[in-house]
Amino acid sequence: GAGVSQSPSNKVTEKGKDVELRCDPISGHTALYWYRQSLGQGLEFLIYFQGNSAPDKSGLPSDRFSAERTGGSVSTLTIQRTQQEDSAVYLCASSHGDRVTETQYFGPGTRLLVL
Amino acid sequence: EDQVTQSPEALRLQEGESSSLNCSYTVSGLRGLFWYRQDPGKGPEFLFTLYSAGEEKEKERLKATLTKKESFLHITAPKPEDSATYLCAVGILTGGGNKLTFGTGTQLKVEL
Repeated sequence: GAGVSQSPSNKVTEKGKDVELRCDPISGHTALYWYRQSLGQGLEFLIYFQGNSAPDKSGLPSDRFSAERTGGSVSTLTIQRTQQEDSAVYLCASSHGDRVTETQYFGPGTRLLVL
Repeated sequence: EDQVTQSPEALRLQEGESSSLNCSYTVSGLRGLFWYRQDPGKGPEFLFTLYSAGEEKEKERLKATLTKKESFLHITAPKPEDSATYLCAVGILTGGGNKLTFGTGTQLKVEL
């Protein structure tokens, strides 16, 4: 079956512009996670969704970052007034549920470059 | 603070030369230890989940083991196609979700 998909695969933007990153989880997966992978650093948790609600937003680095999920499916991560330090790979993962036994399956990521 | 440390950062092996990758962790309440493989330009690909000390899992040339403080990923007779970055993560149950805390990975290169 289809895996997690993300779009765009690459995004180049200018400092100060807003960007939207999209994630389509595996069909039927209720839990959705966003992570960020910066050069030379491990994956960093950003936000977790269960259905359309976000019980854990603790990883969002600033109020320029926001995310939403609609219909229990597609999620959008929005970065406002982008800064050069926002350049990274943004990865989305989904799992069937939110129990510790559930495997998170990752998408291919969106590579964001802020000039 | 929860920490996950992987070593070595990079490893170069000859084809057929077995070795082990290490993942040590200090977390308050381990809920699961996950191994992923990541190829350049791609998202992480799930390999194994371990839940309790003494547990072992195998898949082809890979075997993952878990103790109370660390996990090992053993690679037996590796092939060039095993070249990738191997990521270790621990699951921390918080806010109802299963947040993963990742190490920085071991970059493995297997040469002919």
